[in-house]
Amino acid sequence: EADIYQTPRYLVIGTGKKITLECSQTMGHDKMYWYQQDPGMELHLIHYSYGVNSTEKGDLSSESTVSRIRTEHFPLTLESARPSHTSQYLCASSDLGVLVETQYFGPGTRLLVL
Amino acid sequence: QKEVEQDPGPLSVPEGAIVSLNCTYSNSAFQYFMWYRQYSRKGPELLMYTYSSGNKEDGRFTAQVDKSSKYISLFIRDSQPSDSATYLCAMSVFQGAQKLVFGQGTRLTINP
Repeated sequence: EADIYQTPRYLVIGTGKKITLECSQTMGHDKMYWYQQDPGMELHLIHYSYGVNSTEKGDLSSESTVSRIRTEHFPLTLESARPSHTSQYLCASSDLGVLVETQYFGPGTRLLVL
Repeated sequence: QKEVEQDPGPLSVPEGAIVSLNCTYSNSAFQYFMWYRQYSRKGPELLMYTYSSGNKEDGRFTAQVDKSSKYISLFIRDSQPSDSATYLCAMSVFQGAQKLVFGQGTRLTINP
């Protein structure tokens, strides 16, 4: 079954730790995204990728970095976590070359930095 | 000013009621208008999308777009407790690549 996966689902970590949020999709989509979502707030795009070896920053400035070495994998890394990074992180993917770009979302990772 | 404005609610209605969810926008370049549904502890999923002004119906859901007023709506008929979720409007514009702008979502509860 084609799907998009995120791990971990929940993460509680101390300040200064390095963390990597994993995202994988089995739909063969070219484009992948990372959004940040705080309660009651809109989704903010922080990173996206058009394909392997392509990464771009989104609208919201973020201290995180991403990589795209494989089509299906788009991990997000925070080198030194801070309480201000506490949020929900949503990964999504979409198929390039279609008229209406439908984004498919993973279940999200809820991050709490103490 | 935000490009997309959506009343965050929360909105609580009895089962069977007709629900109206709305968004306004300021960017006349938006081309496609979408509604996503997000259940608690899940990612958003696409419900419907429309392109032109007018109505589009899918079962109990009707999406309405009024480009002259820069206003979109989602109507839910015969609302069910399973419709309880956060509903996000989203709009796309082509700026070198397609860009999706989301509203902040309206939290809806349908009471049995």
